[in-house]
Formats: sequence, C-alpha cells, structure tokens
Amino acid sequence: RKEVEQDPGPFNVPEGATVAFNCTYSNSASQSFFWYRQDCRKEPKLLMSVYSSGNEDGRFTAQLNRASQYISLLIRDSKLSDSATYLCVVIPFTNAGKSTFGDGTTLTVKP
Amino acid sequence: SQTIHQWPATLVQPVGSPLSLECTVEGTSNPNLYWYRQAAGRGLQLLFYSVGIGQISSEVPQNLSASRPQDRQFILSSKKLLLSDSGFYLCAASEGGDDSYGYTFGSGTRLTVV
Repeated sequence: RKEVEQDPGPFNVPEGATVAFNCTYSNSASQSFFWYRQDCRKEPKLLMSVYSSGNEDGRFTAQLNRASQYISLLIRDSKLSDSATYLCVVIPFTNAGKSTFGDGTTLTVKP
Repeated sequence: SQTIHQWPATLVQPVGSPLSLECTVEGTSNPNLYWYRQAAGRGLQLLFYSVGIGQISSEVPQNLSASRPQDRQFILSSKKLLLSDSGFYLCAASEGGDDSYGYTFGSGTRLTVV
C-alpha cells in the first residue's frame, strides 16, 4: 500500500459544480499537510495548508481527519481556471526527506 | 518568502552525454533542498535531498548525482545520460530547514534524452 493515496481521476465537472478530493495517508506520525496545484507542464504551487480545524480560502476548503487519516479538498462553484492536477503532501514530525506527495488528482472543469 | 531559480527550462541531450542542472535559492538560509523527477502523467519521484552544505541523501540508485557546494545552491549531475533519464526535473526548498511549512518549487527543467 502506498503511504499516500489519491484517486487519480480524472474528475470532469461542469462550471459551477462542487467537487471534493480525498487523500489518505498511512503514517499516523504525520505532522503537516498541504494541497498543491500543478498546471500542465508547470511546477507544483502551494494551494493551502490543512489543519484539523479546517482551512477555508474563498471557494476552497481543506480539512484534516486524523482519526481516519485523510485530508480533503473541497472546491465550490468550480471555474474553468480550476482545471489542474491537485497534489496532497504529508510531512512527518521528523521531516527532512520524509515527506510524501500523492500522485495527484486531475480535475477538468468544462463549460 | 523564498524564490527558487532553476535553469535551463528545457534541454535536449543525446544518450551518453553529461548533465548539469543548477538550482539556487533566495530569501532564506539553511533550506532543505530537494531534487524531484516527474515522468509524463506521473507523480513526483524524490531523487536527492540535502540538509546542509556537502550533505546529500540519495533516495534511488541511478546514474545521477547531486552536490551542494553552497548553502543555497543545489546541483544535479550525470556523467552519461540514459534514455530513461528523460523527465521533468524539479528543485524544491523548505524555508529555514523546516519542512513543516511546505515547499517552494523551481519552475523545472524538461529534459529529453535522445
């Protein structure tokens, strides 16, 4: 089993839809969690941090469930510009070189 | 905030030729530095990481090597490229040597070995 697993998709949704991605992790000693966005042929860019209390930034909401060991990303009112691959990353307490990126979930928002 | 400079953006090299990719970091000291490779349509594969000058950890056996001659400089090298070395190479850094705050990536080098 992979340390971090994401549904690769693709998720094809119409504009205005709400879509949610999950990312499960196996290391219970994980400390920090993030969602990154990667556009085609570009570098990943930090989208948002993930906290147990939840983190909201405009149309984006990230949540951490430590008991079930997963993080989620919810996108409301999808825009065409949200089309990208979304990567989760899980960072343990002893963290140098130990982070694990998921393979990404591809989202395509269609008009 | 830190900025990662990575070059060149694209590179086409013949099999058996050498490789040198450079990454420099601005805006932070003592970063942890990383080299990742991403094959088309795939996830990130960690190649090397460094927690300090001259300290290199390799994650996968291969014909690549890395060096960190200065605090904010990270170099990826090969003496003889293979076709399988083709991919998108990304340098990443964590601020102040603490990965807890996530990573910043350079814009990447797209390497095609022919």
